[in-house]
Amino acid sequence: KAGVTQTPRYLIKTRGQQVTLSCSPISGHRSVSWYQQTPGQGLQFLFEYFSETQRNKGNFPGRFSGRQFSNSRSEMNVSTLELGDSALYLCASSQASGYNEQFFGPGTRLTVL
Amino acid sequence: DQQVKQNSPSLSVQEGRISILNCDYTNSMFDYFLWYKKYPAEGPTFLISISSIKDKNEDGRFTVFLNKSAKHLSLHIVPSQPGDSAVYFCAASELEYGNKLVFGAGTILRVKS
Repeated sequence: KAGVTQTPRYLIKTRGQQVTLSCSPISGHRSVSWYQQTPGQGLQFLFEYFSETQRNKGNFPGRFSGRQFSNSRSEMNVSTLELGDSALYLCASSQASGYNEQFFGPGTRLTVL
Repeated sequence: DQQVKQNSPSLSVQEGRISILNCDYTNSMFDYFLWYKKYPAEGPTFLISISSIKDKNEDGRFTVFLNKSAKHLSLHIVPSQPGDSAVYFCAASELEYGNKLVFGAGTILRVKS
């Protein structure tokens, strides 16, 4: 069974631009969650999508948004990029929401210059 | 406000011996706990989980113990192997918040051969 895939793996953007990251979950998984990892803040939850609906949201500004498609694939978008948005963005999928092991992709390394 | 704390930034263990990684939490509403292992440039890999109705869960060389009254959990790895050298993250969630995981800062485990 293929794992969670994320594209692109690496991305360099400049301040003020916007970016879209993509995540394909494990086949049959309906929940996709996004996390941001930085050296200073560690791993922080961004949001979770389940059956195309946002189920939960973390404490991030409205510049961070996401969506999920009917095939469970998910995208996250960051608008008006800031230097502090440089991070590893991880996507995780699970079969359902709650009391479920989540399986992570390799991440997208975003650098904002 | 760190709800999940891993107070030991690093741990060094001899091959074949037991590795014990510790995690404390402050939110008594957490009812599901997970351990992940992470290698550089990869996403976290799920190791083992435990729900709050149990106090122990075992999977091969990995055992997780949960002490709800102390709000403490630990991961035991027996026997430790050099390939276990990685960063270990403790994570917690509440059923109400679906798959939202709150992570600790991580502990670097080095297994010496």
